[in-house]
Amino acid sequence: AQSVTQPDIHITVSEGASLELRCNYSYGATPYLFWYVQSPGQGLQLLLKYFSGDTLVQGIKGFEAEFKRSQSSFNLRKPSVHWSDAAEYFCAVGGNTDKLIFGTGTRLQVFP
Amino acid sequence: KAGVTQTPRYLIKTRGQQVTLSCSPISGHRSVSWYQQTPGQGLQFLFEYFSETQRNKGNFPGRFSGRQFSNSRSEMNVSTLELGDSALYLCASSLYGTQETQYFGPGTRLLVL
Repeated sequence: AQSVTQPDIHITVSEGASLELRCNYSYGATPYLFWYVQSPGQGLQLLLKYFSGDTLVQGIKGFEAEFKRSQSSFNLRKPSVHWSDAAEYFCAVGGNTDKLIFGTGTRLQVFP
Repeated sequence: KAGVTQTPRYLIKTRGQQVTLSCSPISGHRSVSWYQQTPGQGLQFLFEYFSETQRNKGNFPGRFSGRQFSNSRSEMNVSTLELGDSALYLCASSLYGTQETQYFGPGTRLLVL
């Protein structure tokens, strides 16, 4: 069955520090992988997605993610975090015509 | 282009009542998906509609239903509301389906008393 695990419920970093949010998935075929961000009181916004090809994917707001098939992971990274990055981040997995399954989210707090 | 809009934004109902939520997708998008977001369960897929047909369904009871109109607008209905139905209901649209980038609306926050 499809599943997504985000092992970190809450992460706190200092502004300017690097960030890595973990995502592990379980999927029977080649997955489509997504990272979404949700600011308080708002809907979700797509940061980046992986369908095929280059395993290092660049997204908006300076985020990137790397697909590692051998580890079933799709971790999100950012070299230098800004205070405006404080939000909740969701990893999701799906496939062709499959429903999208979301992880439980990681709440990011940024200290000045 | 205008984004995904959802109405109403906030709703308070009592147990046993029913509720209808509305979603207007981005112009040209034919796929509309609905999600329930709660602090305990996170984001859970309710169903997806494409060209007025339900194409995918999550694991929710039959009290949750939906439909899509010829202009791609979608409605979601919950009958016999329970306290546990209190949640943020998110609608997302895409051109052809959930495998593409989905654009989310701001959600409807439902409180069941």
